[in-house]
Amino acid sequence: QKEVEQNSGPLSVPEGAIASLNCTYSDRGSQSFFWYRQYSGKSPELIMFIYSNGDKEDGRFTAQLNKASQYVSLLIRDSQPSDSATYLCAVNPAQIRGGSNYKLTFGKGTLLTVNP
Amino acid sequence: DTGVSQDPRHKITKRGQNVTFRCDPISEHNRLYWYRQTLGQGPEFLTYFQNEAQLEKSRLLSDRFSAERPKGSFSTLEIQRTEQGDSAMYLCASSLVNGNTIYFGEGSWLTVV
Repeated sequence: QKEVEQNSGPLSVPEGAIASLNCTYSDRGSQSFFWYRQYSGKSPELIMFIYSNGDKEDGRFTAQLNKASQYVSLLIRDSQPSDSATYLCAVNPAQIRGGSNYKLTFGKGTLLTVNP
Repeated sequence: DTGVSQDPRHKITKRGQNVTFRCDPISEHNRLYWYRQTLGQGPEFLTYFQNEAQLEKSRLLSDRFSAERPKGSFSTLEIQRTEQGDSAMYLCASSLVNGNTIYFGEGSWLTVV
């Protein structure tokens, strides 16, 4: 059974702080990793994907991947109240390109609350 | 690019009735996916199509569920003899074969009473 584990939270941070969201996965063959943001009652919205070990930055967001430890994280700098949402980690056994499909395995999500 | 469109957005049905959801993917996207999400859980993969061919089905897709994509454009997901456990948000997504991400629609909420 391929699993993705996330701390369900809630994770509460003050406005302007760094929020750190963590995710571990069981399938060592996983190739690509995604972070989605989901507001209550809405569908998931892609924030970032990463497929190489190390860090990937996009604006206030940084994804970190460590395949040896089977660990992926998302850092949100200068957190804003509008960042309050559930953050879903998803993994894909296939590579991003080359005809891969997106049979993603999602974690249950971490609820983030940013307090003004 | 109008995004992935799903219809209806909300459906309340009595147990035992059949329901059908429609998904219109982003035009030129040849891959289309169905996921299901229940409260407190992440989305779960159900099935996916490449053009009109259904290439994979999850074991979650019981024989009461059927998905089609007859002309390789829009897709339908039908649930027959609905049960209360079918209550969930049904998400459609689409991608290019060599794309680097999938795009989710806004979802179709099903409540079985």
